Amino acid sequence: QKEVEQNSGPLSVPEGAIASLNCTYSDRVSQSFFWYRQYSGKSPELIMSIYSNGDKEDGRFTAQLNKASQYVSLLIRDSQPSDSATYLCAVLSGAGSYQLTFGKGTKLSVIP
Amino acid sequence: DGGITQSPKYLFRKEGQNVTLSCEQNLNHDAMYWYRQDPGQGLRLIYYSQIVNDFQKGDIAEGYSVSREKKESFPLTVTSAQKNPTAFYLCASSKEYNEQFFGPGTRLTVL
Repeated sequence: QKEVEQNSGPLSVPEGAIASLNCTYSDRVSQSFFWYRQYSGKSPELIMSIYSNGDKEDGRFTAQLNKASQYVSLLIRDSQPSDSATYLCAVLSGAGSYQLTFGKGTKLSVIP
Repeated sequence: DGGITQSPKYLFRKEGQNVTLSCEQNLNHDAMYWYRQDPGQGLRLIYYSQIVNDFQKGDIAEGYSVSREKKESFPLTVTSAQKNPTAFYLCASSKEYNEQFFGPGTRLTVL
């Protein structure tokens, strides 16, 4: 059974701080990793994808991947109240796989 | 504007009734997916289709059926065999096995 684990939160950070969201996965052959943001009552929106070990930066977002530790994280710099949402980690296992496994999400609250 | 559309936004089903949820995309994506989301739960895969006229069961296919007659369309039928259908249903698409993009969702409620 492939599993993706996230802390459910809520994670509360003050405006302007760095928010750190973590995710671990069980399937060692996983190749592709994604972070989605989901506002309450809305559908998930893809914000980051990462495929290689190391860091990938896009604006205020940085995704970090460590395949040896089976760990992926998302850092949000200069957090804004508009970042308040649930963040879903998703993992695509194996070459040619179409099936994403999602974590249950971490709820982030940015306090003004 | 390229994107994924789902209809209706809200749907109410009576006991014993089949209902069909629509999903259309104009992104020229090959693969399409249906997920179900329950409160406090992650997304669970119902069915997916890599190409026209072919589809595979996901983790929770029982009580659901799909068809893929056109590349752009992947409707989901929730049958009366699905005993607990109240949920948020999400359709997604991707270019081969890659980033998946979601439609706005359909919220189904059993009366």
